[in-house]
Amino acid sequence: AQSVTQLGSHVSVSEGALVLLRCNYSSSVPPYLFWYVQYPNQGLQLLLKYTSAATLVKGINGFEAEFKKSETSFHLTKPSAHMSDAAEYFCAVSETGANSKLTFGKGITLSVRP
Amino acid sequence: DTGVSQDPRHKITKRGQNVTFRCDPISEHNRLYWYRQTLGQGPEFLTYFQNEAQLEKSRLLSDRFSAERPKGSFSTLEIQRTEQGDSAMYLCASSLGSGVNTGELFFGEGSRLTVL
Repeated sequence: AQSVTQLGSHVSVSEGALVLLRCNYSSSVPPYLFWYVQYPNQGLQLLLKYTSAATLVKGINGFEAEFKKSETSFHLTKPSAHMSDAAEYFCAVSETGANSKLTFGKGITLSVRP
Repeated sequence: DTGVSQDPRHKITKRGQNVTFRCDPISEHNRLYWYRQTLGQGPEFLTYFQNEAQLEKSRLLSDRFSAERPKGSFSTLEIQRTEQGDSAMYLCASSLGSGVNTGELFFGEGSRLTVL
């Protein structure tokens, strides 16, 4: 069975600082991995995805994530935080194949201090 | 707006009543998913459809829950004899299905259920 672990529920950074949100996954087959973002009072939207092509994936709003099979990790980073990045971030895993059901982690709330 | 829409956005009901949520997916998407999200948790998978066929149901989905997608377009999620533990945000998502679009789900804003 597939699962995702997002350690910690809240991360706070200063504007302009590095953002690092951690995600570790478990999957019995090669996974597809995703980061979704949820802004207040909005639906979840896809930030970026890994589907077995390049291990470094670039997404919207300057975010990127690196797939590391040896560490079963897919951490999300952004070099310089902006106030508008404040949101809840979810890592998700899907097993490859016809079934695209996603399993989500618990999510991490990112706060950005002025 | 051609995104996923859900109705109603908020529903308050008394324990024991039945409630129904509707989801209208993006028109060309053949897959439709229902998830449930409670405070402090990520979305939990409930069920999904490919066209009108319900292909998988989670063990979280008790007999009081039923979902339909009769014509392969909109979907309904009904909860019978609601319990306080059913209070949650019910999320609908749609996608084009397998291949490069795998996992790229488009979510609605959700239907929040409060059971008193």
